[in-house]
Amino acid sequence: DAMVIQNPRYQVTQFGKPVTLSCSQTLNHNVMYWYQQKSSQAPKLLFHYYDKDFNNEADTPDNFQSRRPNTSFCFLDIRSPGLGDAAMYLCATSRTGTSGTEQYFGPGTRLTVT
Amino acid sequence: AQKVTQAQTEISVVEKEDVTLDCVYETRDTTYYLFWYKQPPSGELVFLIRRNSFDEQNEISGRYSWNFQKSTSSFNFTITASQVVDSAVYFCALSNAGNNRKLIWGLGTSLAVNP
Repeated sequence: DAMVIQNPRYQVTQFGKPVTLSCSQTLNHNVMYWYQQKSSQAPKLLFHYYDKDFNNEADTPDNFQSRRPNTSFCFLDIRSPGLGDAAMYLCATSRTGTSGTEQYFGPGTRLTVT
Repeated sequence: AQKVTQAQTEISVVEKEDVTLDCVYETRDTTYYLFWYKQPPSGELVFLIRRNSFDEQNEISGRYSWNFQKSTSSFNFTITASQVVDSAVYFCALSNAGNNRKLIWGLGTSLAVNP
């Protein structure tokens, strides 16, 4: 089955220690998104790639970076995690870049910062 | 301003009851898209439906149905004969033609279906 895969499902990191979350997709979608979701809140878009074109949200902290080496993979790098970065991180894809296209989500990575 | 309001924070029903989740949206665009997503306790967001602003037909998919009414800016979701597996947080979201693929999310409604 075509899908969006996120690894790891659970990640524990220490305060200030860089961490990388990964996302891969077999849907061959050209748009990939990263969201942060905290408890009892809606997902918050951090950034997205339309093909290789990177689109950052204005309120995404510089501490968060992303890489997309090819169509299938996308990475979220948190350079110096703080306690406030503990959250669920969701990767999503969509088939095209138009606003009416639904997004398909991976299972998420739950990040704990100690 | 674009906004999605899900006034019901939490709903609790007994299995086999029908339940309606409300979604009210605000937008000045004439072209827009509305979505419903389900987030079970596992955390994965599951796409349920997309509706564009030019299509006001209601839709039924099994026990799920959606009622889109532009006159009241609402896109409500009804689950008929609810089951325990329907327990989840349900999000309504809006996308406008000009907002660069960004979804405007409601705060979600947490549905608990009790046996």
